[in-house]
Amino acid sequence: DARVTQTPRHKVTEMGQEVTMRCQPILGHNTVFWYRQTMMQGLELLAYFRNRAPLDDSGMPKDRFSAEMPDATLATLKIQPSEPRDSAVYFCASGLGLGQSNQPQHFGDGTRLSIL
Amino acid sequence: KNQVEQSPQSLIILEGKNCTLQCNYTVSPFSNLRWYKQDTGRGPVSLTIMTFSENTKSNGRYTATLDADTKQSSLHITASQLSDSASYICVVSARYGGSQGNLIFGKGTKLSVKP
Repeated sequence: DARVTQTPRHKVTEMGQEVTMRCQPILGHNTVFWYRQTMMQGLELLAYFRNRAPLDDSGMPKDRFSAEMPDATLATLKIQPSEPRDSAVYFCASGLGLGQSNQPQHFGDGTRLSIL
Repeated sequence: KNQVEQSPQSLIILEGKNCTLQCNYTVSPFSNLRWYKQDTGRGPVSLTIMTFSENTKSNGRYTATLDADTKQSSLHITASQLSDSASYICVVSARYGGSQGNLIFGKGTKLSVKP
């Protein structure tokens, strides 16, 4: 079965350091989403792309977060500088179309980020 | 405001028993409703997607129902197994609207199945 691949699976780093998370979406999928999950808030959408173009990143703190898709096989989420409140699990998902397309999103297994 | 509320927050049942999880939403205009299963340490996996015209959909021992008039959905698990222990997330899609990718997530119900 095709899967969304995320790296690294775990990341522990000190406050102020740059963090880069990577995602390989399923081949042929045209939409890519970045989510953050915490116990308190559940899943929150940070940004999403369609055909590699950013459509909405209103869920991200703009001053420190950035999301890009340099090519169809790679999406990146960067945090610079990182802060302890950024500690969470970050998920990437890919699919065909947006929410109203009736197509499921396929999630990776996430990057568990701890900022000390 | 578009919202999705799930109940209960958590649930413990014995193996072999049935259970029902609830999802109420205020999303409008409605496009579809999804149920996801999330195992500990893994990403969510899609169980069902229902559109306005569908009022029930099954996936093995999982059966989802949708009442678009009352804006309620339920997920029924039959003959539970230990592997059903997971969080179940209800997600509702709006037909249009630029933010959130049109997807509004509930906070999930954590189900524990005990032997």
